[in-house]
Amino acid sequence: QQPVQSPQAVILREGEDAVINCSSSKALYSVHWYRQKHGEAPVFLMILLKGGEQKGHEKISASFNEKKQQSSLYLTASQLSYSGTYFCGIPGSNTGKLIFGQGTTLQVKP
Amino acid sequence: GAVVSQHPSWVICKSGTSVKIECRSLDFQATTMFWYRQFPKQSLMLMATSNEGSKATYEQGVEKDKFLINHASLTLSTLTVTSAHPEDSSFYICSARDRTTMILDEQFFGPGTRLTVL
Repeated sequence: QQPVQSPQAVILREGEDAVINCSSSKALYSVHWYRQKHGEAPVFLMILLKGGEQKGHEKISASFNEKKQQSSLYLTASQLSYSGTYFCGIPGSNTGKLIFGQGTTLQVKP
Repeated sequence: GAVVSQHPSWVICKSGTSVKIECRSLDFQATTMFWYRQFPKQSLMLMATSNEGSKATYEQGVEKDKFLINHASLTLSTLTVTSAHPEDSSFYICSARDRTTMILDEQFFGPGTRLTVL
């Protein structure tokens, strides 16, 4: 039931764009995105609750395709601070627990 | 707002000893807290769901008697690793749901506790 993320790793230059995908084998009603810096806890980025919903904060945005059971995270004009591992999380049950994907490591170079 | 703390930040212990990790929601009440374990360069693996005033729900494969969870109040959950062994060395992270915004399923993570068992 663990969602599958792709790619596993991305290396970018500052200012370049990246897309991280998250796919599930089961129906989704929400997708969560987190970023984790090395040695730190994950930091919440955003939740998408509806099929077709798109959200964004500054130059990081995400979309949720309910029918395709997938979500994509878009990082535009990447900055050095975007480096880290990105996880998508999907609800595991109605208890509110999240099942996280294996993570996508993003490295932004000057 | 929505701050979760963990104590200690790191701990080194001898094999066979028990270690207690605290998870606190500082500015909100959390009826539900979650405990995750993360090995280097791997994803967060949910260990158990901790509910205030009731027994924790453990994920398949997680030993209940080894990882004792207590959720004594709306702001505190503890994880005790009993008879720790080197293979229990890991990064343990808790998260909490704000009872007033539970509908959003948003989880707030603590800073994590790095456990090293010698």
